[in-house]
Amino acid sequence: EDQVTQSPEALRLQEGESSSLNCSYTVSGLRGLFWYRQDPGKGPEFLFTLYSAGEEKEKERLKATLTKKESFLHITAPKPEDSATYLCAVRGANSKLTFGKGITLSVRP
Amino acid sequence: DAGVTQSPTHLIKTRGQQVTLRCSPISGHKSVSWYQQVLGQGPQFIFQYYEKEERGRGNFPDRFSARQFPNYSSELNVNALLLGDSALYLCASSPRTGDTGELFFGEGSRLTVL
Repeated sequence: EDQVTQSPEALRLQEGESSSLNCSYTVSGLRGLFWYRQDPGKGPEFLFTLYSAGEEKEKERLKATLTKKESFLHITAPKPEDSATYLCAVRGANSKLTFGKGITLSVRP
Repeated sequence: DAGVTQSPTHLIKTRGQQVTLRCSPISGHKSVSWYQQVLGQGPQFIFQYYEKEERGRGNFPDRFSARQFPNYSSELNVNALLLGDSALYLCASSPRTGDTGELFFGEGSRLTVL
Protein backbone atom coordinates (compact mmCIF):
# COMPACT_ATOMS: atom_id res chain seq x y z
CA GLU A 1 0.00 0.00 0.00
CA ASP A 2 1.27 3.46 -0.91
CA GLN A 3 2.29 5.60 2.08
CA VAL A 4 3.22 9.26 2.57
CA THR A 5 4.70 10.74 5.75
CA GLN A 6 5.19 14.47 6.13
CA SER A 7 7.31 16.25 8.70
CA PRO A 8 7.23 18.29 10.76
CA GLU A 9 3.48 18.40 11.51
CA ALA A 10 3.67 22.15 12.08
CA LEU A 11 6.29 24.78 11.41
CA ARG A 12 6.43 28.36 12.62
CA LEU A 13 8.81 30.72 10.84
CA GLN A 14 9.67 34.36 11.07
CA GLU A 15 9.18 36.31 7.85
CA GLY A 16 12.32 35.88 5.76
CA GLU A 17 13.46 32.73 7.60
CA SER A 18 14.00 30.02 4.96
CA SER A 19 13.22 26.36 5.70
CA SER A 20 12.27 23.01 4.16
CA LEU A 21 9.27 20.71 4.45
CA ASN A 22 9.84 16.96 4.13
CA CYS A 23 7.75 14.28 2.42
CA SER A 24 8.83 10.64 2.69
CA TYR A 25 7.04 8.09 0.55
CA THR A 26 6.74 4.45 -0.41
CA VAL A 27 4.88 3.69 -3.59
CA SER A 28 4.53 0.92 -6.11
CA GLY A 29 5.37 2.35 -9.52
CA LEU A 30 5.61 6.12 -8.97
CA ARG A 31 3.56 8.00 -11.55
CA GLY A 32 4.05 11.38 -9.99
CA LEU A 33 4.63 13.18 -6.69
CA PHE A 34 2.47 16.22 -6.10
CA TRP A 35 2.61 19.21 -3.79
CA TYR A 36 -0.58 21.08 -2.96
CA ARG A 37 -1.30 24.13 -0.85
CA GLN A 38 -4.51 24.22 1.19
CA ASP A 39 -5.94 27.27 2.92
CA PRO A 40 -8.42 26.80 5.80
CA GLY A 41 -11.86 25.70 4.58
CA LYS A 42 -10.70 25.50 0.95
CA GLY A 43 -9.82 22.74 -1.48
CA PRO A 44 -6.17 21.93 -2.23
CA GLU A 45 -4.46 24.13 -4.83
CA PHE A 46 -1.94 22.49 -7.12
CA LEU A 47 1.69 23.63 -6.82
CA PHE A 48 4.07 21.11 -8.43
CA THR A 49 4.37 17.69 -10.03
CA LEU A 50 7.65 15.76 -9.95
CA TYR A 51 8.13 12.53 -11.87
CA SER A 52 11.69 11.30 -11.43
CA ALA A 53 14.55 11.49 -8.94
CA GLY A 54 16.70 14.56 -9.43
CA GLU A 55 13.87 16.64 -10.82
CA GLU A 56 13.33 20.16 -9.45
CA LYS A 57 10.52 22.68 -9.95
CA GLU A 58 10.35 26.32 -8.82
CA LYS A 59 7.58 28.84 -8.38
CA GLU A 60 8.19 32.19 -6.72
CA ARG A 61 9.58 31.45 -3.22
CA LEU A 62 8.94 27.69 -3.48
CA LYS A 63 11.20 24.98 -4.85
CA ALA A 64 10.35 21.27 -4.89
CA THR A 65 12.92 18.50 -5.23
CA LEU A 66 12.62 14.72 -5.52
CA THR A 67 14.76 11.72 -4.58
CA LYS A 68 13.84 8.03 -4.75
CA LYS A 69 12.47 8.13 -1.20
CA GLU A 70 11.77 11.77 -0.35
CA SER A 71 10.65 15.11 -1.63
CA PHE A 72 11.43 18.49 -0.14
CA LEU A 73 9.57 21.75 -0.47
CA HIS A 74 12.04 24.55 0.13
CA ILE A 75 10.63 27.94 1.10
CA THR A 76 12.98 30.87 0.59
CA ALA A 77 12.39 34.12 2.47
CA PRO A 78 8.75 33.28 3.29
CA LYS A 79 6.06 35.91 3.71
CA PRO A 80 2.95 35.79 5.92
CA GLU A 81 0.83 35.00 2.85
CA ASP A 82 2.71 31.71 2.53
CA SER A 83 0.96 30.53 5.69
CA ALA A 84 -1.11 27.46 4.78
CA THR A 85 -1.13 23.67 5.00
CA TYR A 86 1.15 22.01 2.46
CA LEU A 87 0.08 18.57 1.28
CA CYS A 88 2.26 15.98 -0.43
CA ALA A 89 0.70 13.17 -2.46
CA VAL A 90 1.91 10.30 -4.63
CA ARG A 91 0.22 8.57 -7.53
CA GLY A 92 1.12 4.91 -7.85
CA ALA A 93 0.36 2.19 -10.33
CA ASN A 94 -3.36 2.24 -9.41
CA SER A 95 -3.59 5.91 -10.45
CA LYS A 96 -5.15 7.14 -7.19
CA LEU A 97 -3.55 9.89 -5.14
CA THR A 98 -2.37 9.01 -1.62
CA PHE A 99 -1.92 12.09 0.55
CA GLY A 100 0.11 12.76 3.65
CA LYS A 101 -1.43 14.52 6.66
CA GLY A 102 0.04 17.84 5.64
CA ILE A 103 2.36 20.39 7.24
CA THR A 104 0.83 23.52 8.73
CA LEU A 105 3.11 26.47 8.06
CA SER A 106 2.75 29.76 9.96
CA VAL A 107 4.87 32.74 8.95
CA ARG A 108 4.99 35.59 11.44
CA PRO A 109 5.53 39.18 10.22
CA ASP B 1 -12.75 29.55 -17.03
CA ALA B 2 -14.83 28.03 -14.25
CA GLY B 3 -13.04 25.65 -11.95
CA VAL B 4 -14.49 22.60 -10.26
CA THR B 5 -17.78 23.52 -8.60
CA GLN B 6 -19.38 21.64 -5.72
CA SER B 7 -22.73 21.92 -4.00
CA PRO B 8 -23.87 22.35 -1.36
CA THR B 9 -20.96 24.09 0.35
CA HIS B 10 -22.19 23.29 3.85
CA LEU B 11 -24.84 20.94 5.19
CA ILE B 12 -25.94 19.45 8.48
CA LYS B 13 -27.54 16.03 8.77
CA THR B 14 -28.48 13.70 11.59
CA ARG B 15 -27.34 10.12 12.09
CA GLY B 16 -29.11 7.64 9.83
CA GLN B 17 -29.99 10.18 7.16
CA GLN B 18 -28.80 10.14 3.58
CA VAL B 19 -26.88 12.85 1.70
CA THR B 20 -26.13 13.63 -1.95
CA LEU B 21 -23.22 15.84 -2.93
CA ARG B 22 -22.77 17.23 -6.42
CA CYS B 23 -19.76 18.14 -8.54
CA SER B 24 -19.25 19.80 -11.92
CA PRO B 25 -15.76 19.29 -13.37
CA ILE B 26 -13.71 21.76 -15.35
CA SER B 27 -14.97 21.98 -18.93
CA GLY B 28 -13.27 19.32 -21.03
CA HIS B 29 -12.30 17.16 -18.05
CA LYS B 30 -13.73 13.67 -18.26
CA SER B 31 -12.44 12.19 -14.99
CA VAL B 32 -13.90 12.97 -11.58
CA SER B 33 -12.57 11.76 -8.24
CA TRP B 34 -14.00 12.08 -4.74
CA TYR B 35 -11.98 12.49 -1.57
CA GLN B 36 -12.91 12.67 2.12
CA GLN B 37 -10.88 14.98 4.35
CA VAL B 38 -11.36 14.69 8.09
CA LEU B 39 -10.15 17.65 10.13
CA GLY B 40 -6.39 17.54 10.62
CA GLN B 41 -5.85 14.79 8.04
CA GLY B 42 -4.98 14.66 4.36
CA PRO B 43 -7.67 13.81 1.79
CA GLN B 44 -8.54 10.11 1.42
CA PHE B 45 -9.54 8.62 -1.92
CA ILE B 46 -13.15 7.41 -2.21
CA PHE B 47 -13.95 6.96 -5.92
CA GLN B 48 -12.77 7.76 -9.41
CA TYR B 49 -15.06 7.89 -12.44
CA TYR B 50 -14.11 8.24 -16.09
CA GLU B 51 -16.52 8.26 -19.00
CA LYS B 52 -19.34 7.28 -16.60
CA GLU B 53 -17.56 4.15 -15.42
CA GLU B 54 -16.02 3.53 -11.99
CA ARG B 55 -12.27 3.27 -12.38
CA GLY B 56 -11.20 3.07 -8.76
CA ARG B 57 -12.58 2.70 -5.25
CA GLY B 58 -10.94 3.41 -1.91
CA ASN B 59 -11.44 1.65 1.43
CA PHE B 60 -14.91 2.97 2.20
CA PRO B 61 -18.04 0.98 3.13
CA ASP B 62 -20.86 0.25 0.71
CA ARG B 63 -22.83 3.11 2.25
CA PHE B 64 -20.78 5.30 -0.08
CA SER B 65 -21.74 5.30 -3.75
CA ALA B 66 -21.25 7.60 -6.70
CA ARG B 67 -22.09 8.02 -10.34
CA GLN B 68 -21.06 10.14 -13.29
CA PHE B 69 -23.48 11.60 -15.82
CA PRO B 70 -23.12 12.04 -19.60
CA ASN B 71 -22.08 15.67 -19.08
CA TYR B 72 -19.28 14.37 -16.78
CA SER B 73 -20.79 15.87 -13.64
CA SER B 74 -20.91 13.55 -10.65
CA GLU B 75 -22.82 12.79 -7.47
CA LEU B 76 -21.58 11.21 -4.27
CA ASN B 77 -24.21 9.53 -2.08
CA VAL B 78 -23.76 8.48 1.51
CA ASN B 79 -26.47 6.42 3.22
CA ALA B 80 -27.10 5.72 6.90
CA LEU B 81 -24.88 8.58 8.03
CA LEU B 82 -22.61 8.10 11.02
CA LEU B 83 -20.98 10.74 13.21
CA GLY B 84 -17.63 9.73 11.71
CA ASP B 85 -18.81 10.76 8.24
CA SER B 86 -18.45 14.40 9.28
CA ALA B 87 -15.76 15.77 6.96
CA LEU B 88 -14.94 17.97 4.00
CA TYR B 89 -15.83 16.10 0.80
CA LEU B 90 -13.67 17.14 -2.10
CA CYS B 91 -14.26 16.61 -5.77
CA ALA B 92 -11.36 16.75 -8.23
CA SER B 93 -11.27 16.61 -12.01
CA SER B 94 -8.62 15.80 -14.59
CA PRO B 95 -8.66 15.51 -18.36
CA ARG B 96 -8.41 11.69 -18.44
CA THR B 97 -7.95 8.67 -16.23
CA GLY B 98 -4.62 7.05 -15.51
CA ASP B 99 -3.13 10.43 -16.14
CA THR B 100 0.15 11.39 -14.58
CA GLY B 101 -1.01 14.98 -14.42
CA GLU B 102 -2.39 16.92 -11.51
CA LEU B 103 -5.92 16.91 -10.13
CA PHE B 104 -7.89 20.13 -9.85
CA PHE B 105 -9.94 20.33 -6.68
CA GLY B 106 -13.15 22.13 -5.85
CA GLU B 107 -13.72 24.02 -2.60
CA GLY B 108 -15.50 21.05 -1.07
CA SER B 109 -18.76 20.28 0.68
CA ARG B 110 -18.56 20.49 4.48
CA LEU B 111 -20.79 17.78 5.98
CA THR B 112 -21.63 17.80 9.67
CA VAL B 113 -23.46 14.79 11.10
CA LEU B 114 -25.17 15.31 14.47
